[in-house]
Amino acid sequence: GENVEQHPSTLSVQEGDSAVIKCTYSDSASNYFPWYKQELGKGPQLIIDIRSNVGEKKDQRIAVTLNKTAKHFSLHITETQPEDSAVYFCAASIMGGGADGLTFGKGTHLIIQP
Amino acid sequence: KAGVTQTPRYLIKTRGQQVTLSCSPISGHRSVSWYQQTPGQGLQFLFEYFSETQRNKGNFPGRFSGRQFSNSRSEMNVSTLELGDSALYLCASSLGDRTEAFFGQGTRLTVV
Repeated sequence: GENVEQHPSTLSVQEGDSAVIKCTYSDSASNYFPWYKQELGKGPQLIIDIRSNVGEKKDQRIAVTLNKTAKHFSLHITETQPEDSAVYFCAASIMGGGADGLTFGKGTHLIIQP
Repeated sequence: KAGVTQTPRYLIKTRGQQVTLSCSPISGHRSVSWYQQTPGQGLQFLFEYFSETQRNKGNFPGRFSGRQFSNSRSEMNVSTLELGDSALYLCASSLGDRTEAFFGQGTRLTVV
């Protein structure tokens, strides 16, 4: 089955700096790669996703890149703000979207230092 | 609009008992997926339902089961509870295939 590795497990950055979280996946059939943000006491919230026919996607301060050859995808957050502090999860699936059959990475605790 | 609602929010059960958790999806959403979240294993897929049919299942023992009703509300059941079943159980709903999924806040199950 699919295996998703996520690094780093903890990332501390100064407010205003950029943060990068990286994930690798093992199943070449995976075609959907969402990123979720989870705040304490809440369920995961989708922040951005990318499908295998696209190499890069951007939404304001957040961007995701996908390298299918290397089976690698990354989340980039620019101009970080205190409200960006949370746990971020990458995931992969062969289902093309939704929450069906997602394999998640172990998460990155992002800490924004004021 | 109302989000995904999971009840109860917290639950304490004894080993050997069974438990039923409920998930009410966003109105109009027909797909409901269930996940188990633990500090050690992270988020793991349990199963997915669409129009009352289980379409996909993760790698969990048969003690974990679910169902979906005609109004798309879903329940999951865990029988013969073990200490290791202590976890946050999350459900997510979406309109259907390839559409954005929304997670509920989860049910925190503690087995003692």
